[in-house]
Amino acid sequence: QQPVQSPQAVILREGEDAVINCSSSKALYSVHWYRQKHGEAPVFLMILLKGGEQKGHDKISASFNEKKQQSSLYLTASQLSYSGTYFCGTEITGNQFYFGTGTSLTVIP
Amino acid sequence: EAQVTQNPRYLITVTGKKLTVTCSQNMNHEYMSWYRQDPGLGLRQIYYSMNVEVTDKGDVPEGYKVSRKEKRNFPLILESPSPNQTSLYFCASSPGQARNEQFFGPGTRLTVL
Repeated sequence: QQPVQSPQAVILREGEDAVINCSSSKALYSVHWYRQKHGEAPVFLMILLKGGEQKGHDKISASFNEKKQQSSLYLTASQLSYSGTYFCGTEITGNQFYFGTGTSLTVIP
Repeated sequence: EAQVTQNPRYLITVTGKKLTVTCSQNMNHEYMSWYRQDPGLGLRQIYYSMNVEVTDKGDVPEGYKVSRKEKRNFPLILESPSPNQTSLYFCASSPGQARNEQFFGPGTRLTVL
């Protein structure tokens, strides 16, 4: 039931764009995105609810395709501070919560 | 300051010696949850609680117990720890339900020898 994320790892140069995908075999009520820096706790980025919405702030945005049970996180004009591991999280039934296996993003100068 | 606290932050113990990891939040959140994080496996939910005296199993509950006697506290109990419970543990809380933003504690790194 754990969502599948792709790619597992990506290396970017500053200013480049990246897309991280998250897919589930189960119907999704919502999709969360979190970022975790090395040695720290995950930090919330955004939530997308059923309805196929798209959200964003600054240069990080996300979409949720309800029919395909997929979400994508878009990072544009990446900065060094974007480095970390990105997790999608999904609430599948009730209040049980599943995180994906994570995508390691490294931004180099 | 709104926060989730965990104690201890680091713990090395031996197989079979009962231990408790405490978790406390000061945001009056209803929902609290425990996760373990292992390389390549991401974060996996152990137990969660919707409110006082209401707890339920997550994805990997075997070997763990929890209790929710007060709204702010959600301790994780390992009655007989084994080496396969060596992991990084996070407590999290959110207002209302799991579908809301979750606030994470700093983590507890547990090593069971």
